[in-house]
Amino acid sequence: AQSVTQPDIHITVSEGASLELRCNYSYGATPYLFWYVQSPGQGLQLLLKYFSGDTLVQGIKGFEAEFKRSQSSFNLRKPSVHWSDAAEYFCAVDTDRGSTLGRLYFGRGTQLTVWP
Amino acid sequence: DTEVTQTPKHLVMGMTNKKSLKCEQHMGHRAMYWYKQKAKKPPELMFVYSYEKLSINESVPSRFSPECPNSSLLNLHLHALQPEDSALYLCASSQRRGGEQFFGPGTRLTVL
Repeated sequence: AQSVTQPDIHITVSEGASLELRCNYSYGATPYLFWYVQSPGQGLQLLLKYFSGDTLVQGIKGFEAEFKRSQSSFNLRKPSVHWSDAAEYFCAVDTDRGSTLGRLYFGRGTQLTVWP
Repeated sequence: DTEVTQTPKHLVMGMTNKKSLKCEQHMGHRAMYWYKQKAKKPPELMFVYSYEKLSINESVPSRFSPECPNSSLLNLHLHALQPEDSALYLCASSQRRGGEQFFGPGTRLTVL
């Protein structure tokens, strides 16, 4: 069965520090991969996605993610965190790769706290 | 127009009430989704509509009744809910099933 693992429930960083949020998936083939961000009481906003091609993808708000097939990972990074980045981050996969059967499977989320 | 709208933003209802949640998108997307999200948890898929037909029902209790009147609208009818149904209800849409989903801001539901 497919699964998405975000090993860190909560991460705290200082403003201006670099950030890496981890995501691993369990699936036989390469799925479509996504990172979403959610502020308290709000909907989810798509940060970036990987479908194919270049394994380093750029997203909005200065975020990037790298797909590593050998490690089944899709880690999210940002070189310098801003206080406004404090939120919940969800990694998600679509194992049917955009087919008519497609649906998202979410990781449990990582809560990011940013210290001034 | 690249957004998904949801109304109402907040809803408080008693266990005997009947209410509806509404979701609308004008991006021409042909797949629409309802999710339920409890605090500190990821969204849980409830229903998927593809080309206005129900294609997934994740064993959701019958007190939740989805409806897709046209390709832009998605409703969730609520009846005889329980306090444990209190949650954030999110709607999403995508061009077709699979691929990136665009989420609405959600409806915060409280059942008394």
